[in-house]
Amino acid sequence: KQEVTQIPAALSVPEGENLVLNCSFTDSAIYNLQWFRQDPGKGLTSLLLIQSSQREQTSGRLNASLDKSSGRSTLYIAASQPGDSATYLCAVRPGGGSQGNLIFGKGTKLSVKP
Amino acid sequence: EADIYQTPRYLVIGTGKKITLECSQTMGHDKMYWYQQDPGMELHLIHYSYGVNSTEKGDLSSESTVSRIRTEHFPLTLESARPSHTSQYLCASALAQATGELFFGEGSRLTVL
Repeated sequence: KQEVTQIPAALSVPEGENLVLNCSFTDSAIYNLQWFRQDPGKGLTSLLLIQSSQREQTSGRLNASLDKSSGRSTLYIAASQPGDSATYLCAVRPGGGSQGNLIFGKGTKLSVKP
Repeated sequence: EADIYQTPRYLVIGTGKKITLECSQTMGHDKMYWYQQDPGMELHLIHYSYGVNSTEKGDLSSESTVSRIRTEHFPLTLESARPSHTSQYLCASALAQATGELFFGEGSRLTVL
């Protein structure tokens, strides 16, 4: 059974620091992996999606990498800002196509201090 | 930009009331989902649909029911609300073809007194 783990559960950094959020999954047979951001009391905002054949995706200050064989993904945030404070979740879609349902991690709560 | 809407955003009701949480999307997505999330906790899939007249139960057992009569609409109903139903309910949608990237609504926070 696929399990998704995100470590650390919470992270606090000063503004301007570059940081890495980690996501690991137990079954390397995935179709894709998606990173989300969730602000308190809100829904999830899709940040990046990486197909299983890709190694990384970039959007602005965000870079997500995928190492399928080791069951790991990282989300790199450059020059962090207080507005980046939120919970970041990763989710994997099992292999077999886009029909599988996403399996979510519990998230990393990020706090960026001014 | 995702066009998926949930109403109401906040609802406080008494025990025993029937409630329907609405979810609509204008993207023509085939797949729609309902997740339940308690504060600070992980998401649990409670219902999903792959198209009109298709509904399935998710990983977490729920006393709620759903229907999918139109592609764009996926309402969730609780026939008799209880305090244990207090939670945030998140609706999401995805296109069946291509990547299946998931887009979420803003959520409906339900409090049952």
